[in-house]
Amino acid sequence: AQSVTQLDSQVPVFEEAPVELRCNYSSSVSVYLFWYVQYPNQGLQLLLKYLSGSTLVKGINGFEAEFNKSQTSFHLRKPSVHISDTAEYFCAVSVRDDKIIFGKGTRLHILP
Amino acid sequence: DADVTQTPRNRITKTGKRIMLECSQTKGHDRMYWYRQDPGLGLRLIYYSFDVKDINKGEISDGYSVSRQAQAKFSLSLESAIPNQTALYFCATSDVVAGDLYEQYFGPGTRLTVT
Repeated sequence: AQSVTQLDSQVPVFEEAPVELRCNYSSSVSVYLFWYVQYPNQGLQLLLKYLSGSTLVKGINGFEAEFNKSQTSFHLRKPSVHISDTAEYFCAVSVRDDKIIFGKGTRLHILP
Repeated sequence: DADVTQTPRNRITKTGKRIMLECSQTKGHDRMYWYRQDPGLGLRLIYYSFDVKDINKGEISDGYSVSRQAQAKFSLSLESAIPNQTALYFCATSDVVAGDLYEQYFGPGTRLTVT
């Protein structure tokens, strides 16, 4: 069975500082990996996804994530955050049967 | 216009009442899902449907039922609501993006409070 662990439930970051949101997964088979963002009072929006190929994936709003198979990680990064990045971020994993397993989420707080 | 819509957006109901949450989509996708979101627990799958005649239980289906009235409509019912069903409920659709990989598209959510 697959599982996803987001190591931090909340991450406070000063505006214009870099941020990394950590995600580790567990699976005995090849997986597809996703990061979703949920802005306040909204649904989930896909930030980026890893299917195969290059391990560095670029997404919307300046975010990127790196797939590390040996460490079973898929950490999300942004070099300089903005107040508008305040949201909850979910890492997710999917295998061939289409079901997606979500992590418990990381709340990103941007400090002025 | 939103591709996946949910009604109502907010609902307060009393213990023991029957309530239905509705989801409609204009994306033309066959696959639809219902999730609930609780603080600190992420999203958990309640039911999913791969087409009108194919409905499956997710990891937390107890206390819920669903109806797939058409390709575009997928409703979630709570036959007798209880307070621990207070949560944010999301509907989603999915479509293939490559090979056997599907991408999911979420509605805006329904915030349900059971008192």
